[in-house]
Amino acid sequence: GEDVEQSLFLSVREGDSSVINCTYTDSSSTYLYWYKQEPGAGLQLLTYIFSNMDMKQDQRLTVLLNKKDKHLSLRIADTQTGDSAIYFCAETYQAGTALIFGKGTTLSMSS
Amino acid sequence: EPEVTQTPSHQVTQMGQEVILRCVPISNHLYFYWYRQILGQKVEFLVSFYNNEISEKSEIFDDQFSVERPDGSNFTLKIRSTKLEDSAMYFCASSRDRTGNTIYFGEGSWLTVV
Repeated sequence: GEDVEQSLFLSVREGDSSVINCTYTDSSSTYLYWYKQEPGAGLQLLTYIFSNMDMKQDQRLTVLLNKKDKHLSLRIADTQTGDSAIYFCAETYQAGTALIFGKGTTLSMSS
Repeated sequence: EPEVTQTPSHQVTQMGQEVILRCVPISNHLYFYWYRQILGQKVEFLVSFYNNEISEKSEIFDDQFSVERPDGSNFTLKIRSTKLEDSAMYFCASSRDRTGNTIYFGEGSWLTVV
């Protein structure tokens, strides 16, 4: 069935770039998304990419999409303490409105 | 900035009881959703609702669950005869259209069934 996979943890030093990777299975997804969840908070839409695009840049965020390999990545430049959160990759199910989420990648700062 | 609001933020209920989780979607949105996240697991789609009827639902959304938009502003999820495994964070979301890029989530209602 449809599935979205992500690594569970990523630790980076403040100021470095973070790259969070995701693989998905539904090739009919129209959009792919990155959501951020801070402790005790809801899911915040960070950015999304339309399936016919390869790349989207939005300030410190860069999304790369490799449709052939069904691979999506989120790069956060100059990672700050406030970026510590869980990042969820999501795809739309069969071009509908339901979102299929990954398990989330916990981004933390290392000293 | 407009937001989706959910109540209660946390509810503890006894097994077998009925629970109603409430949501106020963003006012000009037309599509409404419920998702759930069992602790340590993925966020899972339950149901989407448009034009006063269910437009999509997952296998999880069986006869135990129902949704309603009783008064044009609230969107509710009713869980009948709760089980221990219904313990989860339930997220409401809404969107302006069906493209998915305008889906906004509430902060969630944490349900604990004891």
